[in-house]
Amino acid sequence: AQSVTQLDSQVPVFEEAPVELRCNYSSSVSVYLFWYVQYPNQGLQLLLKYLSGSTLVKGINGFEAEFNKSQTSFHLRKPSVHISDTAEYFCAVSVGFQKLVFGTGTRLLVSP
Amino acid sequence: SQTIHQWPATLVQPVGSPLSLECTVEGTSNPNLYWYRQAAGRGLQLLFYSVGIGQISSEVPQNLSASRPQDRQFILSSKKLLLSDSGFYLCAWSLKTMNTEAFFGQGTRLTVV
Repeated sequence: AQSVTQLDSQVPVFEEAPVELRCNYSSSVSVYLFWYVQYPNQGLQLLLKYLSGSTLVKGINGFEAEFNKSQTSFHLRKPSVHISDTAEYFCAVSVGFQKLVFGTGTRLLVSP
Repeated sequence: SQTIHQWPATLVQPVGSPLSLECTVEGTSNPNLYWYRQAAGRGLQLLFYSVGIGQISSEVPQNLSASRPQDRQFILSSKKLLLSDSGFYLCAWSLKTMNTEAFFGQGTRLTVV
């Protein structure tokens, strides 16, 4: 069965510093990968997705992620974070068309 | 454009009381529908998903049930709430294609006291 691991439950970073949020997945078949962001007491918003093609995917708000099949990873990066990026970030994998499986989330804390 | 409505936004219920959370989708037909629960520090847990009217799949055994009486309506229910049912409940929908993402409602914060 497919699963997603987000090893970092919390990542503190200073404003304007780069950040990487890690995501590893396990699946024996081709997967589709997603990153979502959740602001406090709100639903989830899609940041970016990998379906096929280029392994470097660009999303909204300056985020990007790189699909690495050999390492079964889909890490999220941003070269310079803002205070407004403080939120919880979820990696998810989809196999087939019925459901998404989410990781446990990483809380990004950006301080001045 | 498609929109998803979920209500209420917050709910405080006593232990043993019933529950009904409703979710409706507009602007699309025959979507897949999902209920997720988010407990503190535990990420999103898929509770139920539905691929059509009256078709409900349960992911985990629990005190909750789901129903889909209409194509774009998804209801989460309980006959008797437990303290452990507290959490943030999210409804979502997706298209029936291989590479689709899910679109989420704003969530319901349920506190069982």
